[in-house]
Amino acid sequence: DAKTTQPNSMESNEEEPVHLPCNHSTISGTDYIHWYRQLPSQGPEYVIHGLTSNVNNRMASLAIAEDRKSSTLILHRATLRDAAVYYCILRPIQGAQKLVFGQGTRLTINP
Amino acid sequence: NAGVMQNPRHLVRRRGQEARLRCSPMKGHSHVYWYRQLPEEGLKFMVYLQKENIIDESGMPKERFSAEFPKEGPSILRIQQVVRGDSAAYFCASSPLAGGPLAKNIQYFGAGTRLSVL
Repeated sequence: DAKTTQPNSMESNEEEPVHLPCNHSTISGTDYIHWYRQLPSQGPEYVIHGLTSNVNNRMASLAIAEDRKSSTLILHRATLRDAAVYYCILRPIQGAQKLVFGQGTRLTINP
Repeated sequence: NAGVMQNPRHLVRRRGQEARLRCSPMKGHSHVYWYRQLPEEGLKFMVYLQKENIIDESGMPKERFSAEFPKEGPSILRIQQVVRGDSAAYFCASSPLAGGPLAKNIQYFGAGTRLSVL
């Protein structure tokens, strides 16, 4: 399983943008980049995914480097409810369907 | 649309007892995944099932653990003769399609069952 590297923790202020980085230098050409988050005492929740192009949805944006060896999850205006552990996961288009979670980034939002 | 339903939310068992964790996938989903989160650790995949079939059990402990997803009814994760080390949060996820367009391969998680072994 391809490995991702994320900072253990990050802190930001409410209503400010948050950029959560992820390194995946061993990514293969058929790996999608997925982001999930886990709020306290809840199950993980899908956030966004992409392959090569930047992606936007109602929750966040995903910026993918040109060489695809890193990506950044962007929360445009963080709220207290965004405090969670964020996981960057590589998923091959074919093959095993399991999600391989790393340690993730614990995001703290200050009021 | 109801989400993935897991019950019970909390389960207390004494050492040596059996634990049964239930998962009802989202409507229209025929793929179920079980994950375990030990205290202060990350989420680890356990098993992936489709209706009546185990597809990938590479994360299941070799003994005492079993899973099923019958044609009718919820998926069940069964832990026999529980030990204190089984205390963890167990999460179930479901997806509508595996291996197809990736947008339909998103996994939707339940709120989990927190197992405590005394």
